[in-house]
Amino acid sequence: ILNVEQSPQSLHVQEGDSTNFTCSFPSSNFYALHWYRWETAKSPEALFVMTLNGDEKKKGRISATLNTKEGYSYLYIKGSQPEDSATYLCAFSSNQAGTALIFGKGTTLSVSS
Amino acid sequence: EAQVTQNPRYLITVTGKKLTVTCSQNMNHEYMSWYRQDPGLGLRQIYYSMNVEVTDKGDVPEGYKVSRKEKRNFPLILESPSPNQTSLYFCASSSTGRGYTEAFFGQGTRLTVV
Repeated sequence: ILNVEQSPQSLHVQEGDSTNFTCSFPSSNFYALHWYRWETAKSPEALFVMTLNGDEKKKGRISATLNTKEGYSYLYIKGSQPEDSATYLCAFSSNQAGTALIFGKGTTLSVSS
Repeated sequence: EAQVTQNPRYLITVTGKKLTVTCSQNMNHEYMSWYRQDPGLGLRQIYYSMNVEVTDKGDVPEGYKVSRKEKRNFPLILESPSPNQTSLYFCASSSTGRGYTEAFFGQGTRLTVV
């Protein structure tokens, strides 16, 4: 059974703090790793799709890194703002035909002003 | 505007009363899928469709049916809903079924079965 683990489950930071989360996934049969941002009462929205070992992606203050050999990805938020409060989901895609995106349970970030 | 539209957003129903949750996308995506989200669990796939008339089971298909008669629509059918199907449901689409394309999600349907 493919398993995707995210840590921490939740965290609370002050405005201006930088923070990071971890996503662990199977290192075999890797195809892609997705990060989604999910705000309360909205639908998840894609942040990054990463396919290459060593890949780094950046969107504004948010960036992500990928290590497919050891099976982990980090999401970084620099200078957190209250609008960054959301649940961040990672999802693993295997190169085996017919398999879906396997989602982790998410990391819920709360940023206080 | 590119979007995935689900209806209804909220639904309370009784055990055994057939219901359909509609999903439509306007991006000409080939791949569509349904997920359910339950507390303490990640999004779990119910069914997916690689293209018109091609559907297959995901991880938790029991109690659900789907159809894909047109490319844009992918309804989720609960023939005889039970309380354990109370959940938050998301429809999603992507340009292909390969894992390197991002998924676009609908707004979600919160279903309560009493």
